[in-house]
Amino acid sequence: DAGVTQSPTHLIKTRGQQVTLRCSPKSGHDTVSWYQQALGQGPQFIFQYYEEEERQRGNFPDRFSGHQFPNYSSELNVNALLLGDSALYLCASSVPGQGYEKLFFGSGTQLSVL
Amino acid sequence: QQQVKQSPQSLIVQKGGISIINCAYENTAFDYFPWYQQFPGKGPALLIAIRPDVSEKKEGRFTISFNKSAKQFSLHIMDSQPGDSATYFCAPYWGGGFKTIFGAGTRLFVKA
Repeated sequence: DAGVTQSPTHLIKTRGQQVTLRCSPKSGHDTVSWYQQALGQGPQFIFQYYEEEERQRGNFPDRFSGHQFPNYSSELNVNALLLGDSALYLCASSVPGQGYEKLFFGSGTQLSVL
Repeated sequence: QQQVKQSPQSLIVQKGGISIINCAYENTAFDYFPWYQQFPGKGPALLIAIRPDVSEKKEGRFTISFNKSAKQFSLHIMDSQPGDSATYFCAPYWGGGFKTIFGAGTRLFVKA
């Protein structure tokens, strides 16, 4: 049973460019959350997708957008890249529970913006 | 992330010792209190979690202590091993907002 898979593993872009990151959730999971983790920091919540809709969003600008497909996989898009967008982008999947959330993370995509 | 404060930032423990990491939170709406463990090059993995109606939960060498009135919870690692060297995050969950908020992390190093 495959866990959460993310692609690509590493990416180098220049300022102003656009990037798309991809995530396949763990089998049986229908909810996907995206997090940004700067070096030496904790993951920061970007947004969560459930039933192909953005259900909740963190404090990130509109340059960050996403999508969830009918097979529950998801994409994170970042437009007009800034140097400060350099980070590890983590995807996590889960199954909605009553008053709890058990996140299963992929290994992330390391994005470097030059 | 300011809603959740972890301490200490880093911790060095001798093999066989006890590691203690603390987490303080502000939002009383949090209703699930997990700890995640992250190794270099990997995503975080759920280690142990507690619900607010319980004051303590133990799984093997790992124990969570929860103090609802103080809005704090802590992770205790008994008989710490070099393989426990990792970064630990408290990450309380707000069910009403469908989001898990991570602390800044504690880097644990267990000396052999």
